[in-house]
Amino acid sequence: GESVGLHLPTLSVQEGDNSIINCAYSNSASDYFIWYKQESGKGPQFIIDIRSNMDKRQGQRVTVLLNKTVKHLSLQIAATQPGDSAVYFCAEKNKGGSEKLVFGKGTKLTVNP
Amino acid sequence: GAGVSQSPSNKVTEKGKDVELRCDPISGHTALYWYRQSLGQGLEFLIYFQGNSAPDKSGLPSDRFSAERTGGSVSTLTIQRTQQEDSAVYLCASSLTGVTDTQYFGPGTRLTVL
Repeated sequence: GESVGLHLPTLSVQEGDNSIINCAYSNSASDYFIWYKQESGKGPQFIIDIRSNMDKRQGQRVTVLLNKTVKHLSLQIAATQPGDSAVYFCAEKNKGGSEKLVFGKGTKLTVNP
Repeated sequence: GAGVSQSPSNKVTEKGKDVELRCDPISGHTALYWYRQSLGQGLEFLIYFQGNSAPDKSGLPSDRFSAERTGGSVSTLTIQRTQQEDSAVYLCASSLTGVTDTQYFGPGTRLTVL
């Protein structure tokens, strides 16, 4: 069935350190993955996406890694800043499935100054 | 330009009452989505509109939930005979064409059913 989950519900890092947020998915048919950031009281904000024909994609201070062998997705944030504190969600779309995203429960990232 | 807007931002209602939640998508976006987010949880897909196609209602939890999208723009999510378990934040998102386009989310409507 469809499910997207997370290894850790919370993550606390020091300002300036690198952060790694993990996500596991169970549907090998998923072909599109997205990371969202949600700050308190706001709607989710797109961070970065990756398609299943790629293993890695880089953005500004963020990198998404996709390991299809173990069905694992990670978000790396370089030089984490206090403004990065938020809940991070991964989401997947299933190839050939309905046009909807399946979201994980989220990881709360806290950046300590 | 303007993002996705939702109204009201907060809604408190009594059990058994009907509520309507409104979403104004980004102009020109043909795809519109409704999600529900319970406290401390991820987003639960409710319904998806794409252009003039029949909406994907596969995520609606019961027949008390319905949604319309008039003129391919504004959408209204209606919950009839609200129950306490309906309490959640209801999020709307829009994208240019489909689900592999970036979805832009509104701020959500926090619904509290007493």
